[in-house]
Amino acid sequence: DAGVIQSPRHEVTEMGQEVTLRCKPISGHNSLFWYRQTMMRGLELLIYFNNNVPIDDSGMPEDRFSAKMPNASFSTLKIQPSEPRDSAVYFCASSLVAGGPRYFGPGTRLTVT
Amino acid sequence: DQQVKQNSPSLSVQEGRISILNCDYTNSMFDYFLWYKKYPAEGPTFLISISSIKDKNEDGRFTVFLNKSAKHLSLHIVPSQPGDSAVYFCAASVNTGNQFYFGTGTSLTVIP
Repeated sequence: DAGVIQSPRHEVTEMGQEVTLRCKPISGHNSLFWYRQTMMRGLELLIYFNNNVPIDDSGMPEDRFSAKMPNASFSTLKIQPSEPRDSAVYFCASSLVAGGPRYFGPGTRLTVT
Repeated sequence: DQQVKQNSPSLSVQEGRISILNCDYTNSMFDYFLWYKKYPAEGPTFLISISSIKDKNEDGRFTVFLNKSAKHLSLHIVPSQPGDSAVYFCAASVNTGNQFYFGTGTSLTVIP
């Protein structure tokens, strides 16, 4: 299996621009997680989907962030408008069973200037 | 406030010796714990889990110990190998729920 696939791997954008991060979970997995990693706060859960339905989005920092999972094989995390403080590594993870994120993607390093 | 803490940012160990990575938590409701390993430019890789009904779980060279009264868990790697050099994260949750709180990580270097 190819594992969890994320694109792009690196994104550099200017403040105010829209950013879309993409994730393809492992086939057959029914849970999908978006995490953000920063030096200050470490790894934080942004949102979690189960069977394509958002279950917990309490970690989404503000209305500028939105996430969708239109089908079992694709999810997006959108930031509009982006700000320099959004600069971080964003990870997507998927799992087949309950008990947290088991398989992480390689991450997208986002830099907002 | 950080609910899961890894107070040692780094650790160096000689190849063949034991590596002990520590993790402390503040929320007594946490009852399920995970350890991950992370190489640079990659996502974390799940290593081992433990439920609060146990105080030890073993998988090959990796053993996790849980001390509920001290709110402390540790990951033992024996024997340590150079390929184990990575950042190790612990994470905790309540009732295996999917809100896992991660520690800030410990960077392990295994010296050949």
